[in-house]
Amino acid sequence: DTAVSQTPKYLVTQMGNDKSIKCEQNLGHDTMYWYKQDSKKFLKIMFSYNNKELIINETVPNRFSPKSPDKAHLNLHINSLELGDSAVYFCASSQRWGLDTQYFGPGTRLTVL
Amino acid sequence: AQSVTQPDIHITVSEGASLELRCNYSYGATPYLFWYVQSPGQGLQLLLKYFSGDTLVQGIKGFEAEFKRSQSSFNLRKPSVHWSDAAEYFCAVGAGQAGTALIFGKGTTLSVSS
Repeated sequence: DTAVSQTPKYLVTQMGNDKSIKCEQNLGHDTMYWYKQDSKKFLKIMFSYNNKELIINETVPNRFSPKSPDKAHLNLHINSLELGDSAVYFCASSQRWGLDTQYFGPGTRLTVL
Repeated sequence: AQSVTQPDIHITVSEGASLELRCNYSYGATPYLFWYVQSPGQGLQLLLKYFSGDTLVQGIKGFEAEFKRSQSSFNLRKPSVHWSDAAEYFCAVGAGQAGTALIFGKGTTLSVSS
């Protein structure tokens, strides 16, 4: 059973398009996250939701909008894609807000042409 | 500002040899420290974590790490490396609100030679 899943695994698109990445966790966790891993493999947190409420919103362009329809899902919508958005995006979840182990999904490799 | 430094970008170790991956952190309060491993094309898997207590932490797959406050270090060790250990290793510190935002180092790529 997959604990944290992401779709799609690969996403290739043109500049200017709008795309979404979906994340689902079946662990019953309260908190979910989005991380971005750049071409140099540097990982940085983008957003965090706790019980569907946005808690962390790092310095991310407002073209990126997370949406949490329920505690098990945290989707990432990106408007007007740019070349610099090419990266691997990881979703993660933890049982509760606060210091806790984060479980990561397999990642979505986004390539913007 | 909080930060994590992994001084070694790439390490090659012979199969069966011992391994030590270095991690230094900068954090004002008591740090919460993690080691994650990322196999090619995969997500991150937690190897071990340190929150408090015993400074020598045991993890999965035979890994251990030692927290040394005086050196601001949390080095990862394994006594005998297997070929399947070849992967990217990330050290992280829990920061921000309640330690929830993980700040990662830039990773160390481990290659295992036969």
